[in-house]
Amino acid sequence: AQTVTQSQPEMSVQEAETVTLSCTYDTSESDYYLFWYKQPPSRQMILVIRQEAYKQQNATENRFSVNFQKAAKSFSLKISDSQLGDAAMYFCAYRSRSGYALNFGKGTSLLVTP
Amino acid sequence: EAGVAQSPRYKIIEKRQSVAFWCNPISGHATLYWYQQILGQGPKLLIQFQNNGVVDDSQLPKDRFSAERLKGVDSTLKIQPAKLEDSAVYLCASSLEAPLGQQFFGPGTRLTVL
Repeated sequence: AQTVTQSQPEMSVQEAETVTLSCTYDTSESDYYLFWYKQPPSRQMILVIRQEAYKQQNATENRFSVNFQKAAKSFSLKISDSQLGDAAMYFCAYRSRSGYALNFGKGTSLLVTP
Repeated sequence: EAGVAQSPRYKIIEKRQSVAFWCNPISGHATLYWYQQILGQGPKLLIQFQNNGVVDDSQLPKDRFSAERLKGVDSTLKIQPAKLEDSAVYLCASSLEAPLGQQFFGPGTRLTVL
């Protein structure tokens, strides 16, 4: 079974600064998908960004970008120009090419200070 | 477009009682998932439906949990009898039947078992 590890239980960033959240995973598959989800206190999981393993180019969505290192099995999320609304739990997730279910890490709580 | 609907939002029960959660996925989404999210952890898949059929229920505690998806639309997750360790948020998600079908999550039901 694939395991997803988020080694930072909590992170803090000042408004307008940049923060990087770490994620590593373990898999024997060569083709898969990786995701970052945001879960605010309302509990609704919101997709932030996704990466397909066969694509070498790192995904970018506005202020959010990833650093995907396939050989190292690392998938970090960079948030630029942090905003107060970015405060939430962030979950890294893995999905097999052949399956649909997401395998989540334990999450990182992001605090944004004014 | 309406999102995934879940009810109730909160439920408090005594151990050994039964409880049911309801989920209405996004219209047209063939795949439906139930996840259990224990406090401080990432969501864990309980069961996945493709239309009416069960695709994966390997992590569903079948001695006490049951789920159904009648007519391939709404779904109900039931716990009978509940244990203290069942206290968690139960998330429902749905997706199109596509290889990269994005999962859309509902707001979840927070269950407290006393």
